[in-house]
Amino acid sequence: SQELEQSPQSLIVQEGKNLTINCTSSKTLYGLYWYKQKYGEGLIFLMMLQKGGEEKSHEKITAKLDEKKQQSSLHITASQPSHAGIYLCGAPSSGGSNYKLTFGKGTLLTVNP
Amino acid sequence: DTGVSQNPRHKITKRGQNVTFRCDPISEHNRLYWYRQTLGQGPEFLTYFQNEAQLEKSRLLSDRFSAERPKGSFSTLEIQRTEQGDSAMYLCASSLLGTPSGVYNEQFFGPGTRLTVL
Repeated sequence: SQELEQSPQSLIVQEGKNLTINCTSSKTLYGLYWYKQKYGEGLIFLMMLQKGGEEKSHEKITAKLDEKKQQSSLHITASQPSHAGIYLCGAPSSGGSNYKLTFGKGTLLTVNP
Repeated sequence: DTGVSQNPRHKITKRGQNVTFRCDPISEHNRLYWYRQTLGQGPEFLTYFQNEAQLEKSRLLSDRFSAERPKGSFSTLEIQRTEQGDSAMYLCASSLLGTPSGVYNEQFFGPGTRLTVL
């Protein structure tokens, strides 16, 4: 079965600093979803990547999928307290159709003002 | 369209009681998923529907769990004879059906129902 490992498990940064969160898969990825979650709440969709080498940006967040489609990174530029939360990567367990997602355990981000 | 909604947001029950949760997906979405999330873990897949058909159930979904999606609209998840181990956040998500060629669509989540079994 597919496993997603996220690193680091937690991260504390000073406001204004850049940071990167990684998501590594045990198998080739058919696609990769990034979500943000506030404690006790649902998941907020950030971005979805599907092609090797693909890169997407939204505001100050950039996500990349490597050419081999086994690793993705999420980069936040000039972090703000509003970026704080749990970041989760999820991947479809099989190709061919939108399907159930397997998730990593998440990365807890704290941004100190 | 206000996104995926779930009710109730919180449920506290005593062991042995039955509970039912409801999920209203984004209106045009034909795929609906249920996940369970425990503290410090990512969500784990429970089951999913395509329209009204339940296409897969995880081994995590014991016989005490049942899910329905009548008429392919809202869905309910019922847990019978709750146990303390059922305490978790239950998340619902919906999406449009992807294409056979492997093009995926965004999967949007609701706010979740937090279940506490005493």
